[in-house]
Amino acid sequence: DTGVSQDPRHKITKRGQNVTFRCDPISEHNRLYWYRQTLGQGPEFLTYFQNEAQLEKSRLLSDRFSAERPKGSFSTLEIQRTEQGDSAMYLCASSPGESLYGYTFGSGTRLTVV
Amino acid sequence: AQSVTQLGSHVSVSEGALVLLRCNYSSSVPPYLFWYVQYPNQGLQLLLKYTSAATLVKGINGFEAEFKKSETSFHLTKPSAHMSDAAEYFCAVRDSNYQLIWGAGTKLIIKP
Repeated sequence: DTGVSQDPRHKITKRGQNVTFRCDPISEHNRLYWYRQTLGQGPEFLTYFQNEAQLEKSRLLSDRFSAERPKGSFSTLEIQRTEQGDSAMYLCASSPGESLYGYTFGSGTRLTVV
Repeated sequence: AQSVTQLGSHVSVSEGALVLLRCNYSSSVPPYLFWYVQYPNQGLQLLLKYTSAATLVKGINGFEAEFKKSETSFHLTKPSAHMSDAAEYFCAVRDSNYQLIWGAGTKLIIKP
């Protein structure tokens, strides 16, 4: 297992365009988390899945954001009608159950909206 | 509600000197605490965790942290800094919903 993979590593998009990011967690991890991180800040929780069920969404996750984990394996995060304020690093993490043992993070997708 | 405060957005030490990164937390439940390291343009890597066992926790790369309940602290230390330790360090506490609450991070700068 190569850990948590995120694709793409970098994405530059024009304001108003839609973008989609993918996360492949560690295969035996049933929990998957999405975070957003802006420069000089810690990660901000967006949402998490247990298997295919989305169990919690942050109020930060506006209607333009949607996340799926259709088969309980990989997950996608889509941002519609991107805004400049969406520019950030989007981090995915997975864990084997609840966070007692910490998360394993991917390398992130850096989004730049121009 | 849980929260984390990391004192000092930047800490600068000389190579070979002691590293001390401070983290204070508040938690309404017995805390589980974590330190993560982030290198530029990378994700976060778990350094060490406290999960109510030994109060002195040893992690990777020679780092350790001591849980002090009376001080609500979980400071990260390393006896001798190396240039490769230059990175950003995040302290986190698990909240009552099993999510991680993060500090704002401390950037560690190593002077040659």
